[in-house]
Formats: sequence, C-alpha cells, structure tokens
Amino acid sequence: DAMVIQNPRYQVTQFGKPVTLSCSQTLNHNVMYWYQQKSSQAPKLLFHYYDKDFNNEADTPDNFQSRRPNTSFCFLDIRSPGLGDAAMYLCATSRDSSGKLAGGPQETQYFGPGTRLLVL
Amino acid sequence: GNSVTQMEGPVTLSEEAFLTINCTYTATGYPSLFWYVQYPGEGLQLLLKATKADDKGSNKGFEATYRKETTSFHLEKGSVQVSDSAVYFCALSIGFGNEKLTFGTGTRLTIIP
Repeated sequence: DAMVIQNPRYQVTQFGKPVTLSCSQTLNHNVMYWYQQKSSQAPKLLFHYYDKDFNNEADTPDNFQSRRPNTSFCFLDIRSPGLGDAAMYLCATSRDSSGKLAGGPQETQYFGPGTRLLVL
Repeated sequence: GNSVTQMEGPVTLSEEAFLTINCTYTATGYPSLFWYVQYPGEGLQLLLKATKADDKGSNKGFEATYRKETTSFHLEKGSVQVSDSAVYFCALSIGFGNEKLTFGTGTRLTIIP
C-alpha cells in the first residue's frame, strides 16, 4: 500500500562523504519534491521535478543535487555533507494534469516517511 | 512574499477537550490552504485542505475554514483523543504553476488521558 517510499529510513554518513537518498512512488505522479526538515522546524523545499524539468529553489546550496531517471524514482545527492546537513529529508509527489502554466488549485502533495540523515 | 504564521506550541490538552490551533497567512494571489499532520517518526500526511474563500475542509473530526477577510485557516476539533498527539503544520500554495508549499513552523500537540 505504500505510495511514496523512501530508503533508507535512517542514514549515517561521515563529514564530507557523498551520500544518496532515494525516493520511489507508485502513484505515477509527474511532480516530485525534496524537502529538508531540521529538528522542530518546518519542511523547507530544496527542489522539485516537473516531469523531467528540474526546478531548484534559489537558496538551495550547490552541495545538494538531484536526479530523476524515470517517473517512479528520484534521488537526492549530497556531495559533501556537513554537520549542518543533518536533518530529516522528505520526498513528496503530486499530480499536475492542468499543465504548469494553466493555474488552478494546488494538487495535494503526498509525502513519504522521510530519511533521517546523521552526519558524523 | 508568502508566509504562514502558526500558533506556537507545545500545546497540551486533556482527552475530550476542544482544540484550536491558529493559523494566519500572507500571500500574493489566491492561495490554497492545507493542514498537514506529522506523527512521531513519520512523514507528513494531508489532514484537510481548502482551495477558495469560505471553503471548509474537514477530516477525522478536524475542521478549518478558509477566511479571506481575516487571512486565517484555524484548525479545530471538538473532542481530541490521545491518538491526535502529533505535530500539525499549516501550509499554503499558490496555483498558476507555483507548486511550492510554504509551511508554518508547526505546533506540537500532546493529549493526555
């Protein structure tokens, strides 16, 4: 029944060692998002894919990259994790059938359970 | 810019008490409004939403009404249960191609038996 799956649920990495978090979805949604959520804070959008189009938030550090090889999968790559990158990383998906510029109510975003990243 | 201001927590209530979590927003354009809930160790789940003024979203006994005149979307429940203990996030998004959700800081709710 899981619709948005994130693996692993917990990830430990070393300072400066590249790490990849994965997200997959069974909803066939065309939009996928990555959020960073630090302790006791609101989720913060890092970037999203609209189909294959990558949309980076202006304040997302260059250290964070993403790949979307197909509709179902999306990866978050942290090239050189710092201690400040320890957080929960949430993947979300939504279906936008109206076309990106067509407007209208925001489609619901469905979230995965998150991956908690620890940087040693 | 767009922003969401949420009632600060934590909030502790007894079972069967009435719940209100305040949420106000600032937005350019006509936002859709959401309440998400995050149970311990889990991701966010959509609780309810409203897409235009005067709409009421409801789910699992929770309700919120989109009030354009007061730019508010307060969450209410008449009788809370221990299982409602979680963190609640108010959020907005603007249509017209902007898929970004802007979240409030979250309100931690604890219900004691």
